[in-house]
Amino acid sequence: GAGVSQSPSNKVTEKGKDVELRCDPISGHTALYWYRQRLGQGLEFLIYFQGNSAPDKSGLPSDRFSAERTGESVSTLTIQRTQQEDSAVYLCASSLAPGRETQYFGPGTRLLVL
Amino acid sequence: SQQGEEDPQALSIQEGENATMNCSYKTSINNLQWYRQNSGRGLVHLILIRSNEREKHSGRLRVTLDTSKKSSSLLITASRAADTASYFCATVGTTSGTYKYIFGTGTRLKVLA
Repeated sequence: GAGVSQSPSNKVTEKGKDVELRCDPISGHTALYWYRQRLGQGLEFLIYFQGNSAPDKSGLPSDRFSAERTGESVSTLTIQRTQQEDSAVYLCASSLAPGRETQYFGPGTRLLVL
Repeated sequence: SQQGEEDPQALSIQEGENATMNCSYKTSINNLQWYRQNSGRGLVHLILIRSNEREKHSGRLRVTLDTSKKSSSLLITASRAADTASYFCATVGTTSGTYKYIFGTGTRLKVLA
């Protein structure tokens, strides 16, 4: 596709349920990033992938959060046993290579945990 | 925790005026990027400035970088109502062989017609 796409656009879930968020990066981009943005705040870096590997997972808020990437393409961010504080917009971005290049952002997934 | 700090947090100006936003950071960087965000959704890249560069221009945008002061500024000249958005700086650095991405807290710019 022409840009980064994310699905779903919006997700409402009940506390305690698991959710899976999907990101499709720009074709050919080896680097993929996940961020969280709470209402009215800046972006909080979660994790990045170089190819299918995540060199640093320390940005994930807790062990309820996990992410994977396959085929150097699509990535999924999974939140288990969701809590109300997980409510936020989750943004995905991709770039040609990590670190030195412009990041192109998707429209985000707005997650609401009731 | 977020290390990037931007000021002002909010800025309101008249159309045609210039808008200046500042970003300070704490660690050494490879590059610094500025982004715009409308309506709390996806971010749009504006300018990337590398650590060995001091100034960059793109249309009505001018970015400066002072690595000795660990600060950057974004100047928007001849502002338009369409420039109303939140603006974020993002630093990219390297620690222990991995990249570190830190976004600032953002400046909310409102341009009044």
